Amino acid sequence: GAGVSQTPSNKVTEKGKYVELRCDPISGHTALYWYRQSLGQGPEFLIYFQGTGAADDSGLPNDRFFAVRPEGSVSTLKIQRTERGDSAVYLCASSPDPAPNEQFFGPGTRLTVL
Amino acid sequence: AQSVAQPEDQVNVAEGNPLTVKCTYSVSGNPYLFWYVQYPNRGLQFLLKYITGDNLVKGSYGFEAEFNKSQTSFHLKKPSALVSDSALYFCAVRDMAGTGRRALTFGSGTRLQVQP
Repeated sequence: GAGVSQTPSNKVTEKGKYVELRCDPISGHTALYWYRQSLGQGPEFLIYFQGTGAADDSGLPNDRFFAVRPEGSVSTLKIQRTERGDSAVYLCASSPDPAPNEQFFGPGTRLTVL
Repeated sequence: AQSVAQPEDQVNVAEGNPLTVKCTYSVSGNPYLFWYVQYPNRGLQFLLKYITGDNLVKGSYGFEAEFNKSQTSFHLKKPSALVSDSALYFCAVRDMAGTGRRALTFGSGTRLQVQP
């Protein structure tokens, strides 16, 4: 079956611009996670959705970052007024439910802010 | 707060030899523990997990890991390394406590290099 997909695979933008990153989770997975991975580091948690609601957004670094999941499936991570420090690989993961199942990761979106 | 430490940035091993990639963790309650592998330009792939039960957990591609509560460790092992095992390995933890964070906390990763 299809895994987690993320679009675009690469995004280059200029400082100050707005970007949207999309995640399509595995069908039927109710839990969806966004992580950010900087070069040479492990993924860092950003936000977790259970269904349509953001159950935990404590990892969002500041109010320039926002994510939605309006129908409980596809999610969009939105970054306003991008900064060079936002450059990273943004990973999306999904799992069947909040229980401690493994999370299935997408290939990521590499964001470069010039 | 939960945290994971992977003390080795890189592990080098000869093909056919046993390998160990170290991981220690810290959580307020009991842990759920995971190992993931990342190949170049690819997403994280799940290897194995410890939830409860036997301390020795077996996973994909011949990997296993041993949960040691007293040492708060969850080292990844394989009896005989393959060149194709060369990749970046991440240990991750989640707090079992109901109030704990549902998301995973990852270590900084260990690059495994298996030499032919």
